[in-house]
Amino acid sequence: GNSVTQMEGPVTLSEEAFLTINCTYTATGYPSLFWYVQYPGEGLQLLLKATKADDKGSNKGFEATYRKETTSFHLEKGSVQVSDSAVYFCALRAYNQGGKLIFGQGTELSVKP
Amino acid sequence: DTGVSQNPRHKITKRGQNVTFRCDPISEHNRLYWYRQTLGQGPEFLTYFQNEAQLEKSRLLSDRFSAERPKGSFSTLEIQRTEQGDSAMYLCASSETRPGELFFGEGSRLTVL
Repeated sequence: GNSVTQMEGPVTLSEEAFLTINCTYTATGYPSLFWYVQYPGEGLQLLLKATKADDKGSNKGFEATYRKETTSFHLEKGSVQVSDSAVYFCALRAYNQGGKLIFGQGTELSVKP
Repeated sequence: DTGVSQNPRHKITKRGQNVTFRCDPISEHNRLYWYRQTLGQGPEFLTYFQNEAQLEKSRLLSDRFSAERPKGSFSTLEIQRTEQGDSAMYLCASSETRPGELFFGEGSRLTVL
């Protein structure tokens, strides 16, 4: 079946450090891929997305590239800020599955000043 | 538009009682999704509606769970005879018919004592 696996957290970084959160997926066909973010006390928000192989999604300094050959969609940011502290979820939407998203388990990021 | 709204935000109940959660989606969105999220896990799909039709139900949705969207606008999720294992955050999301982004509410947290 379709699934998403993320690196386990929590991830603790100092401000201005480089961030990578790994995400790999299993899916039939060609899914769309997403990163959602959940800030403390808030609902899930879309961070970025990619709908086909080699697409790069980007937003707020975050980037992720859809790699079909490695079935990966790793999230990166060159210089994190304290305000980036949140839980990050990788998700996929498989073709012809009613639009529902399948999520990974989430990775908590804590950025220290 | 104020986004996806969920009520109540937090419900504490005793084992065996029934509870109902309400979700008001973004007004022009035809699709509505329910998810469950437990601590340290990603959201798990429960069910979704296209207008008033319930098109898919997860195996997670036991017979004690029922969801409705009677007029294709708001939706309710009822849990009968609650069990301690039902304690979780229940998330609602909505999207357009050709889904791009799912917009999530802030969730309804259920605590079963």
